Amino acid sequence: DQQVKQNSPSLSVQEGRISILNCDYTNSMFDYFLWYKKYPAEGPTFLISISSIKDKNEDGRFTVFLNKSAKHLSLHIVPSQPGDSAVYFCAARDSGAGSYQLTFGKGTKLSVIP
Amino acid sequence: NAGVMQNPRHLVRRRGQEARLRCSPMKGHSHVYWYRQLPEEGLKFMVYLQKENIIDESGMPKERFSAEFPKEGPSILRIQQVVRGDSAAYFCASSPLLGQSSYEQYFGPGTRLTVT
Repeated sequence: DQQVKQNSPSLSVQEGRISILNCDYTNSMFDYFLWYKKYPAEGPTFLISISSIKDKNEDGRFTVFLNKSAKHLSLHIVPSQPGDSAVYFCAARDSGAGSYQLTFGKGTKLSVIP
Repeated sequence: NAGVMQNPRHLVRRRGQEARLRCSPMKGHSHVYWYRQLPEEGLKFMVYLQKENIIDESGMPKERFSAEFPKEGPSILRIQQVVRGDSAAYFCASSPLLGQSSYEQYFGPGTRLTVT
């Protein structure tokens, strides 16, 4: 039972354009969401996060949008750069569970074409 | 300002041997988490520890797997009598003790375990 779903295994975008990565979740108790970027043979790198009390958080080229009613969040990267090519993981935390564990999606592989 | 450190980066074990994976959290971080990633999958939570305490081990297999985070030294994930299905990348993450930023976990480079 996947509680965090990233339905697009891959995405290709032209350099300079916008990349939009999507994530859906089923657990209504999730109250904090994070995006991680991962290069091959490396650990995930924290990118940006958002609390469930917000609907948008922006950090430079990265913006995360949260639609609680739809249980959907998205990561926007603009403008996209070749160095952004990586696998992006969406993760969520249920603070009510009494644990700090994160639940991850399976990832979306982003390829930014020069 | 060292990040999360894990060693070894690669570990090869024969079936039935023991595997020990080590993790040193970021300076100032007192929470340690272990995750496992199988090929083409996301990361799956295994265990959450603070110094000398296991807080949540709901993701740990019931047998052969154990974890500790002693008062001194790194956190250790131990897998006894490894089987081929244990082959995976094992990631350690750490977070600070208090505040909103404690929600953000910072990952090490991982240990890639191969069981032959």
